[in-house]
Amino acid sequence: QVQLQESGPGLVKPSETLSLTCTVSGGSITYYYWSWIRQPPGKGLEWIGYIYYSGSTNYNPSLESRVSISVDTSKNQFSLKLSSVTAADTAVYYCARLERDFQTGTYSLAYWGQGAQVTVSS
Amino acid sequence: DIQMTQSPASLSASVGDRVTITCRASQTITTYLNWYQQKPGKAPKLLIYTASTLQSGVPSRFTGSGSGTYFTLTISALQPEDFATYYCQQCSNTPWTFGQGTKVEI
Repeated sequence: QVQLQESGPGLVKPSETLSLTCTVSGGSITYYYWSWIRQPPGKGLEWIGYIYYSGSTNYNPSLESRVSISVDTSKNQFSLKLSSVTAADTAVYYCARLERDFQTGTYSLAYWGQGAQVTVSS
Repeated sequence: DIQMTQSPASLSASVGDRVTITCRASQTITTYLNWYQQKPGKAPKLLIYTASTLQSGVPSRFTGSGSGTYFTLTISALQPEDFATYYCQQCSNTPWTFGQGTKVEI
């Protein structure tokens, strides 16, 4: 059973860059799409973007100017960088693996990490 | 962006009740619709994909239906472990978007 684990600093200063890594175990990172999602305290879910194991990406336009997702297949990891953070970026950040329904083409977020709390504060 | 609107925002029900949550999309998404369950302090869990296909391991009391712009998630006989917040999510167009959530209180 594939497992995902987020890691990174829990506290980031305003205007700095948030960096998180998701380590995948119990399966290979290859041939799958991988995603980041965040949830501000007491609020709903926001999709940040996804990356294919080959490196192609798709980002939420609301964050595109500040976000970068990369993959390291040798380490079975993928990473998130979000620059110029403000208090509005305080959230639990989740990594997830996408599954594709090949009959319909639907993608779903089938496997999730436990989440990493990131607080933006000086 | 496609807006996803869930109703109600919250509901109170008893064990054994039949519960239905609705999700409307601001434009047609055919059946590119997923449902997730989130319990407090936990990551969301995929329940249903492609509007009506039950994810492996999910109890059969969960049913999804709909297409186009109107979708429903039904829990046929509510169990105590179903206390959670439920989210719909469209994967028709990026950016993928979620509904605001429906909190089910037992």
